[in-house]
This record gives sequence, structure tokens and C-alpha cells, in this order.
Amino acid sequence: TQLLEQSPQFLSIQEGENLTVYCNSSSVFSSLQWYRQEPGEGPVLLVTVVTGGEVKKLKRLTFQFGDARKDSSLHITAAQPGDTGLYLCAGAPSNDYKLSFGAGTTVTVRA
Amino acid sequence: ETGVTQTPRHLVMGMTNKKSLKCEQHLGHNAMYWYKQSAKKPLELMFVYNFKEQTENNSVPSRFSPECPNSSHLFLHLHTLQPEDSALYLCASRPSHTTEKLFFGSGTQLSVL
Repeated sequence: TQLLEQSPQFLSIQEGENLTVYCNSSSVFSSLQWYRQEPGEGPVLLVTVVTGGEVKKLKRLTFQFGDARKDSSLHITAAQPGDTGLYLCAGAPSNDYKLSFGAGTTVTVRA
Repeated sequence: ETGVTQTPRHLVMGMTNKKSLKCEQHLGHNAMYWYKQSAKKPLELMFVYNFKEQTENNSVPSRFSPECPNSSHLFLHLHTLQPEDSALYLCASRPSHTTEKLFFGSGTQLSVL
């Protein structure tokens, strides 16, 4: 059983469309991170959210941390081919330094 | 460029071979990690080093042997691997052993024949 469940597993959309990916758990996290991994590269951190209900924006990307700190979402507005990649969420349970990763959502944005 | 360099980028080896993966960071980080990434599965934490001392081994088979000679370098020695060990092996580092950001290398794509 995975600690963090990401959905959908795959997402393919046309340039200019919007998309949302989800990261869910039954556990409470002290913080949650989102990474993007491009083919042939390692994951790169996009954002860290720490407060329940927190919303952070990074250009066309909007990240939300659930009120109970058990889930998170990533919304991309007007997606571009450069947004293509594997999106990973990672959470640190309270009082534990270890990050648990989800299996990721593979996003493909077609030109 | 994350500041974490892994070599080689690709490796093909037979089950009887011995090879080593190398990871190098000059970010001044004190915590270094080996992760295994297989298709459709979450990243699996293999080993944790903090100030050059191994602090965690997540039930990794003994055919994987880590080495951390100093705080900037981390190795993963491989011997008598199995085909199911084929995966992307990622090295990561961070300033300390807390929930701070992980800096990943580009990984070594390993194929065991």
C-alpha cells in the first residue's frame, strides 16, 4: 500500500488546456513537496507547502494543500509543451524527516 | 543543473559483473541519499548518509553496497545483480537531515542483462 496515491497516472492534453493532478493520503504530513522530472533527468523541486489550506502560485501552476494536510493538488492553467514531465508529490509525516514519494503523474502536453 | 553529478549516465552490466555508481556534490550538503526509481512505482529510498555515517538501510539486498568516503562523494557498488534490479538510480543531497528540499542528480539508468 502506497502512502501517497497520485492520480491520474497519465494525462495527455492539448496545448492551452488546463489540467489538475492529485496527491492523496490517509496520513497527515507536516509538509508536502511537488517535484517535476523531465526525461533523462532527476526530479526538481517546484514548491513546498506546509500550512493546511495553503495555496501557492508559481506562474501558471497553482498548488493547494488540503485543510487536514492529507492531500494536495496541482493545477496548470493554459498548459504548454514545456510543462511535459513526471509530476511527483512527496510528503514528510509529522516528526519524521523521511520523505515518502507518490508514483507520479506523467503529463504530456501536445503542441 | 542541480549541483549533484552522477556518473555514468547509462550502464549495462551482466549478472556476474561488478560496477560502481558515483555521485558528487559540492553544495556543502551533509546528507546524501540513494533512491531507486522503477517504472510506475514510487521512488524507493535505499540508503541514507548523514555526516558520512550510514543512518539507514531500507532492507536493501547485500548485492548493493554503499560507500561514503567524504561528505561530497557517495558510491553505490554493484555485484551479482539480477534483471529486476534494472532501474534508474538517483542520488540526492540536502543541507541537513530534515524536511528541506532534496537536490537530485540526473541518475544512472541501469540495465542488468
